[in-house]
Amino acid sequence: AQRVTQPEKLLSVFKGAPVELKCNYSYSGSPELFWYVQYSRQRLQLLLRHISRESIKGFTADLNKGETSFHLKKPFAQEEDSAMYYCAFAAATGGFKTIFGAGTRLFVKA
Amino acid sequence: EPEVTQTPSHQVTQMGQEVILRCVPISNHLYFYWYRQILGQKVEFLVSFYNNEISEKSEIFDDQFSVERPDGSNFTLKIRSTKLEDSAMYFCASRTGRQLYEQYFGPGTRLTVT
Repeated sequence: AQRVTQPEKLLSVFKGAPVELKCNYSYSGSPELFWYVQYSRQRLQLLLRHISRESIKGFTADLNKGETSFHLKKPFAQEEDSAMYYCAFAAATGGFKTIFGAGTRLFVKA
Repeated sequence: EPEVTQTPSHQVTQMGQEVILRCVPISNHLYFYWYRQILGQKVEFLVSFYNNEISEKSEIFDDQFSVERPDGSNFTLKIRSTKLEDSAMYFCASRTGRQLYEQYFGPGTRLTVT
């Protein structure tokens, strides 16, 4: 089954603390993995993609094929990081539809 | 920077009525999608569209739903006879069609069926 699991609905941390948003996927093949973010009253937007191994806004995510995980990390959370974060992958059928996890709401406290 | 646009932002309709949700994808994109998100639930795939035909549709996308790209710029989702359970946020998305699979999302249309 094609599935993305984000076990935490809500993650609350203090400003300056490290953040890790967990994501596990189930897919037979090599998926293209993404993290999307949705800030308050804004659209879903791409945060980062695993193939480019980039760091955006201080966030990184490493694909672990053995554990089928793609956790999102940031060493020092900022208040402006408060948002909804969705782990997702592009499924290689039907024009590469995106399969989303349920999302984790990150709340960074001052 | 070009963006996907959607209209209306909020649509209220009565059960049994037809609704058309409109999207203008980014102009050089070739793949188009509709997703929906029922309040408190995950974003779910509805349908993908390429080369003027449906590439894939989910179980949700039954005979009450249809999509169309009538004029080369708009991409519409029609729900023929709305039900209460169709109340959700509907997102349109598009992507280039090159070897980049991330999608660009519109702001969504909130559909409320009463």
